[in-house]
Amino acid sequence: VQLEESGPGLLKPSGTLSLTCVFSGESISNDNWWNWIRQSPGTGLEWIGEIHNSGAIKYNPSLRTRARLSVDKSNYKSTLTLSSVTAADTAIYYCAKAKGGCSANSCSLDPWGQGTLVTVSS
Amino acid sequence: EFVLTQSPGTLSLSPGERATLSCRASQTVHSRHLSWYQQKPGQAPRLLIYGASSRATGIPDRFSGSGSGTDFTLTISRLELEDFAVYFCVQYGGSPDSPLYTFGGGTKVEI
Repeated sequence: VQLEESGPGLLKPSGTLSLTCVFSGESISNDNWWNWIRQSPGTGLEWIGEIHNSGAIKYNPSLRTRARLSVDKSNYKSTLTLSSVTAADTAIYYCAKAKGGCSANSCSLDPWGQGTLVTVSS
Repeated sequence: EFVLTQSPGTLSLSPGERATLSCRASQTVHSRHLSWYQQKPGQAPRLLIYGASSRATGIPDRFSGSGSGTDFTLTISRLELEDFAVYFCVQYGGSPDSPLYTFGGGTKVEI
């Protein structure tokens, strides 16, 4: 499976960030969770949330009020929306896959997309 | 709050030497949910080890993972030039009030 993120690159404070992760090489019906992670020099790697192709979602409690995940099975993509952005949301945003049912075996994030840089600045 | 602390922050070694990286958890971790990743500049993290000690597909056997409870180790037996990178440990699981995945701060292995 391959994942590719895309986004606006630059947006202004208080705006809403919308990022897309397109995945290929595997059936959308497979039992997978599509994760979003971000990385910034100041805070390192931070897990944002994950969505299953069934629509089940889990969020990082620290971002739950601002983050929204969705999945478009027809177009093999996941979308992350983050509202009320500030400079602290400046980061490289990644999507990554985790296998469904992994909690009974071993959960890990593999593979990752190449990431997309988002800068929040006026 | 669940925390993964990696040490050292930077490891300066030469090709052919052995690298030992530490990951310490603030609470007991299920070994099957502890993984290690390699990240090179400008690239996404790549899975190396899952389940604390199992190598991911295509990972050379000079990489090995061990540990249990709160202390985990990634060992690179003989460093090759391509191994100089940043390494992260990651834990899955936790309470409903914590993130599902928690990341360590990373260890940079430099020449």
